[in-house]
Amino acid sequence: EADIYQTPRYLVIGTGKKITLECSQTMGHDKMYWYQQDPGMELHLIHYSYGVNSTEKGDLSSESTVSRIRTEHFPLTLESARPSHTSQYLCASSESEKLFFGSGTQLSVL
Amino acid sequence: GNSVTQMEGPVTLSEEAFLTINCTYTATGYPSLFWYVQYPGEGLQLLLKATKADDKGSNKGFEATYRKETTSFHLEKGSVQVSDSAVYFCALSDRLSGGYNKLIFGAGTRLAVHP
Repeated sequence: EADIYQTPRYLVIGTGKKITLECSQTMGHDKMYWYQQDPGMELHLIHYSYGVNSTEKGDLSSESTVSRIRTEHFPLTLESARPSHTSQYLCASSESEKLFFGSGTQLSVL
Repeated sequence: GNSVTQMEGPVTLSEEAFLTINCTYTATGYPSLFWYVQYPGEGLQLLLKATKADDKGSNKGFEATYRKETTSFHLEKGSVQVSDSAVYFCALSDRLSGGYNKLIFGAGTRLAVHP
């Protein structure tokens, strides 16, 4: 059904490393989103995009950055990872009100 | 601002028991309402939705009715199965600038169903 992919599925990395979480969708959706899911399960919108060359910050302040050079691709980058960035990151896309989610990336920063 | 409040979990039930997960919302206007489900190790999937007052969304035996008078959208299922064990999220559609929408999620309710 949904064709939205996130890689890697799991990532364990040391403090100070630069990382990029990949998100791609093949549905041609203009709108894409990044949510951060804390261990208590709550979801927080950290970035979204209306389309190519459009990026906006979400409700929760994040040190990560995003880019949208192609419709299908919406990567998230952390320039210098810290233990406080340990979390589950979920990417989503939509055409209308319905969101399609990827399987997420579980990031652990040691 | 708009918000969603869900009953806290975990909810633990025996197979074939009746399920209710409460959800209330605060919103200006009349947003669409959703239930999403997250199975272990996976992303969220849309379970059902309702777009206006008194609408009933239903899917896979689950249902929820959009109640404007009580600002609620409670999720129910008459007979749960072990395979229903998951985290359930209530959500509403909120306006972004430029006429676009985003989803505001509740905190999630974990359901565990035992044989």
